[in-house]
Amino acid sequence: QVQLVQSGAEVKRPGASVTVSCKGSGYKFITYYMHWVRQAPGQGPEWMGIINPRGGNTTSAQKFQDRLTMTRDTSTSTVYMELRSLRYEDTAVYYCARDGGAVMDVWGRGTTVTVSS
Amino acid sequence: QSALTQPASVSGSPGQSITISCTGSSSDVGGYNLVSWYQQHPGKAPKLMIYDVNYRPSGTSNRFSGSKSGNTAALTISGLQAEDEADYYCSSYTTNRTLYVFGTGTKVTVL
Repeated sequence: QVQLVQSGAEVKRPGASVTVSCKGSGYKFITYYMHWVRQAPGQGPEWMGIINPRGGNTTSAQKFQDRLTMTRDTSTSTVYMELRSLRYEDTAVYYCARDGGAVMDVWGRGTTVTVSS
Repeated sequence: QSALTQPASVSGSPGQSITISCTGSSSDVGGYNLVSWYQQHPGKAPKLMIYDVNYRPSGTSNRFSGSKSGNTAALTISGLQAEDEADYYCSSYTTNRTLYVFGTGTKVTVL
């Protein structure tokens, strides 16, 4: 079955960087774009960006353009999301979600990132 | 890009029908037939329930249906069941500073 397995929870200091991984299985990895979405405590989801695993090209929400980097490793069917210069308000659950045609059709379980001094 | 507007809460008795609205603008909901709905139980990841306004992915009950008129989309749950109690979020494609915008979320309570 289609599955997205994300890396474990992280605790970071303000100003640090965090990298979250997402490994896809059960489907042809390079065929489907991958979204990154985050959800702060008690808030709705927020779209961050998308990566094409085939070519590696990315598009980010304007809000994250200077702090967000998305990459992929096709040999391991894994995409990565790096967020830099972390702030307290970046505390959230970060999800990867497969693109099924302008829709997020399969989601990972999420990775909790806590920014705390 | 502001979040799409949803009612904070909607409730209904088992077997009843409820409708959740999702209001945006001509830059998102009104401009594209790319509205999706997600169900989220506490501590879980969102789950796709409706896509492209009114299409159900395989596995989604036919008790869930979607519609759109102008800048407002809607999700209707008929024959409400206890398992439907969850948070629901709409989402739309947009080109205003981001590619996708989500709604503020609606908590559905089954009385």
